[in-house]
Amino acid sequence: GAVVSQHPSRVICKSGTSVKIECRSLDFQATTMFWYRQFPKKSLMLMATSNEGSKATYEQGVEKDKFLINHASLTLSTLTVTSAHPEDSSFYICSASPTGGLTYEQYFGPGTRLTVT
Amino acid sequence: GENVEQHPSTLSVQEGDSAVIKCTYSDSASNYFPWYKQELGKRPQLIIDIRSNVGEKKDQRIAVTLNKTAKHFSLHITETQPEDSAVYFCAENRAAGNKLTFGGGTRVLVKP
Repeated sequence: GAVVSQHPSRVICKSGTSVKIECRSLDFQATTMFWYRQFPKKSLMLMATSNEGSKATYEQGVEKDKFLINHASLTLSTLTVTSAHPEDSSFYICSASPTGGLTYEQYFGPGTRLTVT
Repeated sequence: GENVEQHPSTLSVQEGDSAVIKCTYSDSASNYFPWYKQELGKRPQLIIDIRSNVGEKKDQRIAVTLNKTAKHFSLHITETQPEDSAVYFCAENRAAGNKLTFGGGTRVLVKP
């Protein structure tokens, strides 16, 4: 149980284009999902908290207009990197907290490696 | 403050020896401290966690200790094996917002 998937697993896009990454909780509902970014040999940095039915909460320094988050259902959150540039190349990982579960539970997706050329 | 400091950044041990990783945090309201193991290109995997009302927890070769007064917690791996080689991250859950803040990571290499 508590499986989280991400799609795509890898994506290469050209500079200036937009890329959408999906995060799905497969066997549970998740009112809250989290989006992290991880640069090579670095730690996970929280970008934003995605809340079903309401606006996402962004961490300081993360541009909400560049990283669009939509949490349209209790099992799906999407992150769209708009006008991507090479410096956006990174490993993007989502996590999901089960609705009604322990407040600190987070189950991680397998990550999406984005390369912007 | 919202930092979690993790040491060491790299750790090389001989197979069978113990490995210890330490983290310090600054938010006295933090109430949950998980440890994750991440292999290259993979998702972080929860290996053990501890809540703020407990001082120590053990699961086979892995143990975690928490000192709330000093605001630090440690991961102990005994009888290390080559498959323990990975990057390990500590994290804290701040009571407000249910967010995880990660330490900088420790790259562990277990030499056979």
